[in-house]
Amino acid sequence: GAGVSQSPRYKVAKRGQDVALRCDPISGHVSLFWYQQALGQGPEFLTYFQNEAQLDKSGLPSDRFFAERPEGSVSTLKIQRTQQEDSAVYLCASSIAQGVEAFFGQGTRLTVV
Amino acid sequence: AQTVTQSQPEMSVQEAETVTLSCTYDTSESDYYLFWYKQPPSRQMILVIRQEAYKQQNATENRFSVNFQKAAKSFSLKISDSQLGDAAMYFCAYWKRAQKLVFGQGTRLTINP
Repeated sequence: GAGVSQSPRYKVAKRGQDVALRCDPISGHVSLFWYQQALGQGPEFLTYFQNEAQLDKSGLPSDRFFAERPEGSVSTLKIQRTQQEDSAVYLCASSIAQGVEAFFGQGTRLTVV
Repeated sequence: AQTVTQSQPEMSVQEAETVTLSCTYDTSESDYYLFWYKQPPSRQMILVIRQEAYKQQNATENRFSVNFQKAAKSFSLKISDSQLGDAAMYFCAYWKRAQKLVFGQGTRLTINP
């Protein structure tokens, strides 16, 4: 596609519910990043893939967070047993292997009630 | 670990005037990239300008220019002839290739007509 696509744009979840957020990177982009952005804050790194390999997951805040990219293209960020502190915008970005620019999607705003 | 600091949570400027946003960072690396991203209310992260650390010349993109001081680890953004459409959150970011982008906390820029 022309850009990074994220779905859904908005998600409201009840506390304790599981959610799945999808990211469709730019075709051919091997690197994919997930970020969490709390209201009024800068994006915080969650995890990074190169193709299907998850090279860095040091930013995942707890074992309730899980990300996958099984075929090296679309990625899913899953949050189990959501809590109110998980409320944030989740941003996905992609780049070519040795790229010097990351292209961002419009994010998914997750609200846990 | 790399850190990026933006010390100005908010800035305002009169339309057509010039404004400078500050950013400092900390790294022990010599080869890296620095970015300024703009994030309007739509949440889409838009790349404003990029600076390669090995280049001494400051990057310029139309009305946007940077003052890159590598020894001081400073990377400020100057916006000339400010326009109403420049109003947004601005994030400074550091990137070591093939690693994660590290963002500052952001500066909210308001343009007064």
